[in-house]
Amino acid sequence: DQQVKQNSPSLSVQEGRISILNCDYTNSMFDYFLWYKKYPAEGPTFLISISSIKDKNEDGRFTVFLNKSAKHLSLHIVPSQPGDSAVYFCAASYGGSQGNLIFGKGTKLSVKP
Amino acid sequence: KAGVTQTPRYLIKTRGQQVTLSCSPISGHRSVSWYQQTPGQGLQFLFEYFSETQRNKGNFPGRFSGRQFSNSRSEMNVSTLELGDSALYLCASSLTIQETQYFGPGTRLLVL
Repeated sequence: DQQVKQNSPSLSVQEGRISILNCDYTNSMFDYFLWYKKYPAEGPTFLISISSIKDKNEDGRFTVFLNKSAKHLSLHIVPSQPGDSAVYFCAASYGGSQGNLIFGKGTKLSVKP
Repeated sequence: KAGVTQTPRYLIKTRGQQVTLSCSPISGHRSVSWYQQTPGQGLQFLFEYFSETQRNKGNFPGRFSGRQFSNSRSEMNVSTLELGDSALYLCASSLTIQETQYFGPGTRLLVL
């Protein structure tokens, strides 16, 4: 039973356009959500997070939206750059602890020049 | 500040052997977690440690064990290795269990 799902294994976007990565979850106890980016042969890099009491968090080109009623979150990257090409993981935690993250299986983003 | 370091970076073992992986957290970080990444299952939580105490354990068999030392460094051990244990093992550290985790580069384990 996958508690965090990223249904799109891959996404291709033109440079300068918006990239939208989606994530669905099933556990209503999740109270914190994060996005990580991963390049090959490296560990995941933290991008942005959002608490369940908010519906939007913005950091530069990255914005995360949370829709609790739909149990859905999305990551928007505007504008997309070729260096953004990587695998993006959605993760969730509960109980105030971020030490045991539940990850989705990732979406591979390709940004074409 | 130096990031999370993991040793060794690559490892080849044979079935039935055991292996110990090491993780040094970012200086000042007291929470360390371990994850396993495989193509089929993705990133799965193994253990979480804080101040030398295991706080949480993922759904893995007892062959997987870990510990944390007083300097916050952590080790994980896998005994009686199976082919399915081939994976990238990632360590992450954070100041406390409520803070954002930062990952190391991982140890790539291949079991033959």
